[in-house]
Amino acid sequence: GAVVSQHPSRVICKSGTSVKIECRSLDFQATTMFWYRQFPKQSLMLMATSNEGSKATYEQGVEKDKFLINHASLTLSTLTVTSAHPEDSSFYICSATGLAGPQETQYFGPGTRLLVL
Amino acid sequence: AQSVTQPDIHITVSEGASLELRCNYSYGATPYLFWYVQSPGQGLQLLLKYFSGDTLVQGIKGFEAEFKRSQSSFNLRKPSVHWSDAAEYFCAVGATDSWGKLQFGAGTQVVVTP
Repeated sequence: GAVVSQHPSRVICKSGTSVKIECRSLDFQATTMFWYRQFPKQSLMLMATSNEGSKATYEQGVEKDKFLINHASLTLSTLTVTSAHPEDSSFYICSATGLAGPQETQYFGPGTRLLVL
Repeated sequence: AQSVTQPDIHITVSEGASLELRCNYSYGATPYLFWYVQSPGQGLQLLLKYFSGDTLVQGIKGFEAEFKRSQSSFNLRKPSVHWSDAAEYFCAVGATDSWGKLQFGAGTQVVVTP
């Protein structure tokens, strides 16, 4: 079945550095991709909606200059956490919607755990 | 503004017993409704979804959910739980103009005892 992958699955970085997370739809074209953040023991919070070839739409309270999203193709979206700080440590999850078979479907990636020291 | 409420943060159930997880939503119209399961170290897996039609929805792993418009609820049920059902369960609401844009409830942690 359709799969969404994320890379890396886990990353540790120093405070002040930037980290790029990739989200790929492996066997379908994702018309839209979404980025979520999940803090420990909490629910997923939508950060932004990403459409191929256009600027991402950010949810209220999410800094677009800090969380850069690039949706360069119908199978790839990237999230770059710029100048990361310890409070950015979280589980970042992407999802993709598109036609996978006869109907539009949504799949979630396995997530990327970010730890900022 | 739309919202999703899962009143139960934590539920303990015996293996073989029935399970019901509650979900209430607030939305201007009938939203798209989803139940997801998240196991430790695993990604989110869709159990079932409701867009329209029959209000009793069958999902994977023996789960079902019933949409009740009058109660703004979409409760998840399973007649007989298995130890492998221990996980975090999330109810989610999708916007009708962009159904993939989901708002999640706080989640319910299910513990299964022998």
